[in-house]
Amino acid sequence: DTAVSQTPKYLVTQMGNDKSIKCEQNLGHDTMYWYKQDSKKFLKIMFSYNNKELIINETVPNRFSPKSPDKAHLNLHINSLELGDSAVYFCASSQGGGFGGYTFGSGTRLTVV
Amino acid sequence: SQELEQSPQSLIVQEGKNLTINCTSSKTLYGLYWYKQKYGEGLIFLMMLQKGGEEKSHEKITAKLDEKKQQSSLHITASQPSHAGIYLCGADRGGSEKLVFGKGMKLTVNP
Repeated sequence: DTAVSQTPKYLVTQMGNDKSIKCEQNLGHDTMYWYKQDSKKFLKIMFSYNNKELIINETVPNRFSPKSPDKAHLNLHINSLELGDSAVYFCASSQGGGFGGYTFGSGTRLTVV
Repeated sequence: SQELEQSPQSLIVQEGKNLTINCTSSKTLYGLYWYKQKYGEGLIFLMMLQKGGEEKSHEKITAKLDEKKQQSSLHITASQPSHAGIYLCGADRGGSEKLVFGKGMKLTVNP
């Protein structure tokens, strides 16, 4: 069974469109994250949720809106997609509280054309 | 500023050679994580180190965290083509609720 699953795995869309990426974890973790990996492979945190509450919001355009319906799910909605949004987006989860044990999903490769 | 520096940025070795990757932090680490990523795939967890001086091994990979908990090394013995990929170190500062990553090190192992 996949611990952290993301869908879709690949997403190709035109500029200006709105798209969502979904993430689910079955590890019982309290904290979930979205990371973005750019073309240079640099992985940087975007958002973090703990028990459905937003706890980290890095400098990310407000076109990106995370939503956590419950602690097992963290979705990422992106409005008005731009070329620069093309990247691989990783979802992750951890027990939180600084105890570590991060598990990553397999990533969603977003290409904006 | 980049909190974690990885070196080298890339490495090409012949199969069978040993190699070491370094990850240096400007601040004391609560936890240091090593991940491996193959092209187009997700992050594969390798090891986590938390105690100063800690050393862990799995198959042909050994990771160490120095006593000051500011530098970690990942050593691969007798490298194989299956070791090729991007190695990322991530730092947990404890209570910060996030992992900060280095820029990664691309390893190529030629048969």
